[in-house]
Amino acid sequence: AQSVSQHNHHVILSEAASLELGCNYSYGGTVNLFWYVQYPGQHLQLLLKYFSGDPLVKGIKGFEAEFIKSKFSFNLRKPSVQWSDTAEYFCAVTSFSGGYNKLIFGAGTRLAVHP
Amino acid sequence: EAQVTQNPRYLITVTGKKLTVTCSQNMNHEYMSWYRQDPGLGLRQIYYSMNVEVTDKGDVPEGYKVSRKEKRNFPLILESPSPNQTSLYFCASSSTGLAGGTDTQYFGPGTRLTVL
Repeated sequence: AQSVSQHNHHVILSEAASLELGCNYSYGGTVNLFWYVQYPGQHLQLLLKYFSGDPLVKGIKGFEAEFIKSKFSFNLRKPSVQWSDTAEYFCAVTSFSGGYNKLIFGAGTRLAVHP
Repeated sequence: EAQVTQNPRYLITVTGKKLTVTCSQNMNHEYMSWYRQDPGLGLRQIYYSMNVEVTDKGDVPEGYKVSRKEKRNFPLILESPSPNQTSLYFCASSSTGLAGGTDTQYFGPGTRLTVL
């Protein structure tokens, strides 16, 4: 069964630092990949997604992610974080199970950005 | 505005007292789903629905029921809540849930449930 691993559960950064959050998935076939963000007290919002094509995808708020098929990875990056990026970040992978798209989530990474 | 709404947003109840959390979407989506979010576990799917009158179990369905009588609504029912169902619940919808599709799921604001 498909699974998703997020390597860091908690990350603390200062403003302007660079960010990279790791995400690895287990299934080797065709995958759809997502990063969602959950700001404090809010619902999940889509940051970016990868279905096909250019493996470097750009999302909202300056985030990007790179799909590396050989490494089963889809790491999230941002060159310079802001205090407003404080949130929990979830990597998710579509598992084509039983004829429908099932979204499998990682455990999440809590990012705290200090001014 | 396209959105998924949930009610209530916060609920404190006692063991065994039946409750329903409502979910509604205004995007004419066929696919709807319920997740629970627990620290360190991410989101886990409880139930999903491919369309009206079509529902099926997700990964953690025990203790929950759902119904899909109308396309826009997908209520989550806890017939006899227990403390281990204390969690944050999210409803989500997407255009279709068909395998191989590329639909994005849209999430509701969440319902924080505490069962004493």
